[in-house]
Amino acid sequence: NAGVTQTPKFRVLKTGQSMTLLCAQDMNHEYMYWYRQDPGMGLRLIHYSVGEGTTAKGEVPDGYNVSRLKKQNFLLGLESAAPSQTSVYFCASAMGLAPDTQYFGPGTRLTVL
Amino acid sequence: DAKTTQPTSMDCAEGRAANLPCNHSTISGNEYVYWYRQIHSQGPQYIIHGLKNNETNEMASLIITEDRKSSTLILPHATLRDTAVYYCIVRVTEYGVTGGGNKLTFGTGTQLKVEL
Repeated sequence: NAGVTQTPKFRVLKTGQSMTLLCAQDMNHEYMYWYRQDPGMGLRLIHYSVGEGTTAKGEVPDGYNVSRLKKQNFLLGLESAAPSQTSVYFCASAMGLAPDTQYFGPGTRLTVL
Repeated sequence: DAKTTQPTSMDCAEGRAANLPCNHSTISGNEYVYWYRQIHSQGPQYIIHGLKNNETNEMASLIITEDRKSSTLILPHATLRDTAVYYCIVRVTEYGVTGGGNKLTFGTGTQLKVEL
């Protein structure tokens, strides 16, 4: 039981490049989330999903797209990376039932030059 | 969701109890208090949550005042591995897309440093 895994762990992009971050969970959770964390700050929600095939915008969605084609996977895409998207990205999942603890992955450290 | 106020940092001696306070004076009746922590560079980890009553699990205890305007997370015997940022989050449980997906709103938390 691996819990929540994220791929890749590190990545360096040039401005304008695109990439996809993959989040996978093996707990059969309905809800999945993508957060970003900038230095010295708390996590901010980018997008989330309450089930396969559904996605919704969070607090800071601009510049990102997501897809949830399979229940166990939640993909975060950057179509044209910008230096402002340099951050650590965390994925989380939850059952969607009380008490609804969120389980977090180890993070992806992204640098955009 | 109600706003929370936490001290920026705290120190604790190893083996002693760590008491982390959180003020949430605008909390409403259906909002829960959650605590998560984030050890350096790792993903946040759930610790405990409560509504009205005090709660205890294998990691910590949560004491909520009778008026619910503040709470305290207690780590009974802190170790060096408890050094982390601790987040107090107050929220209503709202499911589904229209309910916001039961998301968490993180502040800047309290940096707890446990020392020998």
